[in-house]
Amino acid sequence: QVQLVQSGSELKKPGASVKVSCKASGYTFTDYGINWVRQAPGQGLEWMGWINTNTWNPTYAQGFTGRFVFSLDTSVSTALLQISSLKAEDTAVYYCARSNRDALDFWGPGTMVSVSS
Amino acid sequence: DIQMTQSPSSLSASVGDRVTITCRASQSISSYLNWYQQKPGEAPKLLIYTASSLQSGVPSRFSGSGSGTDFTLTISSLQPEDFATYYCQQSDSTLWTFGQGTEVEIK
Repeated sequence: QVQLVQSGSELKKPGASVKVSCKASGYTFTDYGINWVRQAPGQGLEWMGWINTNTWNPTYAQGFTGRFVFSLDTSVSTALLQISSLKAEDTAVYYCARSNRDALDFWGPGTMVSVSS
Repeated sequence: DIQMTQSPSSLSASVGDRVTITCRASQSISSYLNWYQQKPGEAPKLLIYTASSLQSGVPSRFSGSGSGTDFTLTISSLQPEDFATYYCQQSDSTLWTFGQGTEVEIK
């Protein structure tokens, strides 16, 4: 069965960096893209962008350029999200999700990133 | 970016009610519109893709319709497990966007 397993919660200080992982299983990793979605506390869903697991080409939504980097480790079917120069407003749950037929059909459980001094 | 606007932002309904949520796109998105359900503390779940196709395993009381700029999610007979927040999302453009969500509460 398709599964996306994400890394655990993180508590970081402002200015630090964080890397969130998303390990896929149950399907051929390079057949589907991986998307990232942010949800701040009590807020809605924001699509951050996606990475093509064949070409490694990332696409970033407006507001997620510069400090946000999508990458892959295809040897272990894992997608990575790195956020640098963390700010308090980056505090959120970060989800990875598989894209299939122009929709997000399987989601990871989410990773809570908290930024506080 | 294409803006997605849902209405209402929240609604109260009773078990057995027919519920309709609308989603409007700022420009035509053909049928590239998906609907998700999210319960507190859980990841979103895909309900409907390409406006009207029911995702595998989703109960048939959920249905979607529309094309162009105006779309609808209908729950034909609301069940206790349907109380949740619902999001529309467009995948027509290179940059995808979500609506702001509609919270369905118990009356």
